[in-house]
Amino acid sequence: DAGVIQSPRHEVTEMGQEVTLRCKPISGHNSLFWYRQTMMRGLELLIYFNNNVPIDDSGMPEDRFSAKMPNASFSTLKIQPSEPRDSAVYFCAHGRAENTEAFFGQGTRLTVV
Amino acid sequence: AQTVTQSQPEMSVQEAETVTLSCTYDTSESDYYLFWYKQPPSRQMILVIRQEAYKQQNATENRFSVNFQKAAKSFSLKISDSQLGDAAMYFCAPTYYTGTASKLTFGTGTRLQVTL
Repeated sequence: DAGVIQSPRHEVTEMGQEVTLRCKPISGHNSLFWYRQTMMRGLELLIYFNNNVPIDDSGMPEDRFSAKMPNASFSTLKIQPSEPRDSAVYFCAHGRAENTEAFFGQGTRLTVV
Repeated sequence: AQTVTQSQPEMSVQEAETVTLSCTYDTSESDYYLFWYKQPPSRQMILVIRQEAYKQQNATENRFSVNFQKAAKSFSLKISDSQLGDAAMYFCAPTYYTGTASKLTFGTGTRLQVTL
């Protein structure tokens, strides 16, 4: 079990560019979460999926953010266009449906300059 | 919606001593779980301990234990015999089942320093 794998670990991009963050979750877990962590706002839930279907995207800050889960083994979070205030650590986490802990990837540190 | 309050932004403890990190939350749910996560400088989120709200007995995991007061909506973490490796950010996270997924809400965290 390799755990939740996120790529890239670090991303530096210029304002206005498109950024795609990737997540490969653990097999056998059917819920997937995208979180954003900043000093000012802490850990915020952006969106979560259940059985590859987006359930709640109310945490997505703007239309510039979008997330997909085309299959059970892959998810992406896209920001287009990126802005400096999007700089943060983005976590992908995976869990089972009922009241269990979430298993986190190591996060992607995004810096938009 | 749930709110989570960790009122101690920073705490310090000497090696081998005991420290308690506080957490209060607000929820209208009756059935939920609570977790403490640890985030060391590597930024990996690591599960420390979990508590089922329907259980009266406080959870214990080696040197880590909780004091769960359901009526008061309080969920504190006690670390005994503190070690240098315990230095990290600690997040309290109640979770409730939405019918499709377990949704965690995180507190703002407590940074724990461990001194010699």
